[in-house]
Amino acid sequence: GAGVSQSPSNKVTEKGKDVELRCDPISGHTALYWYRQRLGQGLEFLIYFQGNSAPDKSGLPSDRFSAERTGESVSTLTIQRTQQEDSAVYLCASSLVLAGNEQFFGPGTRLTVL
Amino acid sequence: GQQVMQIPQYQHVQEGEDFTTYCNSSTTLSNIQWYKQRPGGHPVFLIQLVKSGEVKKQKRLTFQFGEAKKNSSLHITATQTTDVGTYFCAGLHANDYKLSFGAGTTVTVRA
Repeated sequence: GAGVSQSPSNKVTEKGKDVELRCDPISGHTALYWYRQRLGQGLEFLIYFQGNSAPDKSGLPSDRFSAERTGESVSTLTIQRTQQEDSAVYLCASSLVLAGNEQFFGPGTRLTVL
Repeated sequence: GQQVMQIPQYQHVQEGEDFTTYCNSSTTLSNIQWYKQRPGGHPVFLIQLVKSGEVKKQKRLTFQFGEAKKNSSLHITATQTTDVGTYFCAGLHANDYKLSFGAGTTVTVRA
């Protein structure tokens, strides 16, 4: 079937605006993860969802960041009052179950905050 | 949070040579995964190691998991231009459900 998809692929916004990033996981995958990757850097964990369990939000860098997921479907990552340091590629990944399984990554959303 | 350290950060390799990238954790890992990210692309899963001392091979790539399950290595023989990219290790610590990614080793190849 189709892989993980993300939209938009690119987003340019002005400082102070809110942005919403979308992730469509692979059908049947119960676990969904969001990562941030700054240019030339590694993957920074943001949040994960597992089925209907409470998400692990321990990686969210500030209260400007939030994410939602309805059941085992689409997830949205929202960044409020964007700052220039939020500029990065935001990667979404899904896996069959939480922990111990390979993660399938989407192509990412490149966010540029002017 | 729990971290996984990866060295070297950069590896410049002559085509045909071998190289190794290393991954270390201060605490025991339940398993370790390796991913490859091509320039401009997204990480793609390569392999998962679970058992102490486990060794797995994929063509020219050899993956090892240490006896203490605290370190891992990726060895590539006879490097080719197709090996260009960043290789990430990602460890799963006990009692945790999220992978801790290393900073990655970015490989460039001189033809």
